[in-house]
Amino acid sequence: GAVVSQHPSRVICKSGTSVKIECRSLDFQATTMFWYRQFPKQSLMLMATSNEGSKATYEQGVEKDKFLINHASLTLSTLTVTSAHPEDSSFYICSASQTSGGNTGELFFGEGSRLTVL
Amino acid sequence: AQSVTQLDSHVSVSEGTPVLLRCNYSSSYSPSLFWYVQHPNKGLQLLLKYTSAATLVKGINGFEAEFKKSETSFHLTKPSAHMSDAAEYFCVVRDYTGTASKLTFGTGTRLQVTL
Repeated sequence: GAVVSQHPSRVICKSGTSVKIECRSLDFQATTMFWYRQFPKQSLMLMATSNEGSKATYEQGVEKDKFLINHASLTLSTLTVTSAHPEDSSFYICSASQTSGGNTGELFFGEGSRLTVL
Repeated sequence: AQSVTQLDSHVSVSEGTPVLLRCNYSSSYSPSLFWYVQHPNKGLQLLLKYTSAATLVKGINGFEAEFKKSETSFHLTKPSAHMSDAAEYFCVVRDYTGTASKLTFGTGTRLQVTL
C-alpha cells in the first residue's frame, strides 16, 4: 500500500525558534497533501491543503505566516512552524492523496510529528 | 455541508466480546465514508471505506461496517475484541466530487479493551 513518511516523529525546541516537519509520499506521487493538527484527546483539525507547485490553501483561523507550507515536488511537502511558542505544541499529521485517473479520494496518513515547544 | 457524529467518546468492552462504535453522518451528496484507527502517538491507519459499492464493508483486523442510508449511519463492528484493538477510532466523511478534497473527521471514540 501507499506509504507516507513524516520526519521528525518527535521534536523539542526552544520558544522563538523555527521547526520544519517533512512529509514524503514514498511510493506514489501526491499532487495534494494535507496538514492536520491534533490536540490531546481531540480529533484532527485541517490546517491547510498543499498543492504541488502552488501556494497552500489555509483553513480559517490558521496563520499562514506562522505555519509555512511548501510543496515543491510531487513527493514532498514541508510544514515550518515559525517562531514557535508553547501553544504551538501539538501533534501534526500530514496526509497525501494518491494521484490517479480513478481518484477515490482515499488519503494516506503519515505517522505524525509531536512538537514540544519549551 | 457534510458532518459526522460519533455518538460515544469512550467505549469499554471485555476481550472476546463484540465491539460497536457508532457513527452518523450528514451529507449533501452520496458520500464516501471511512473508519480510521489511531494508536497512541501514531498516524491514522485506514480500517475500511465505503464508496457506493456494497453497503456492508469488510476491513482489516476483522472489522466491518454497514452503510445505512435510511439511518445515515456507518457503525463499526467487530465480533470479538482483542487487546490490540484498544485505540482511538475516527469516522470520516467525504462528499465525492471526483477530486481529492477535504475530509470531515468525527470527534473520535476511544476503545478500551479489558481482560
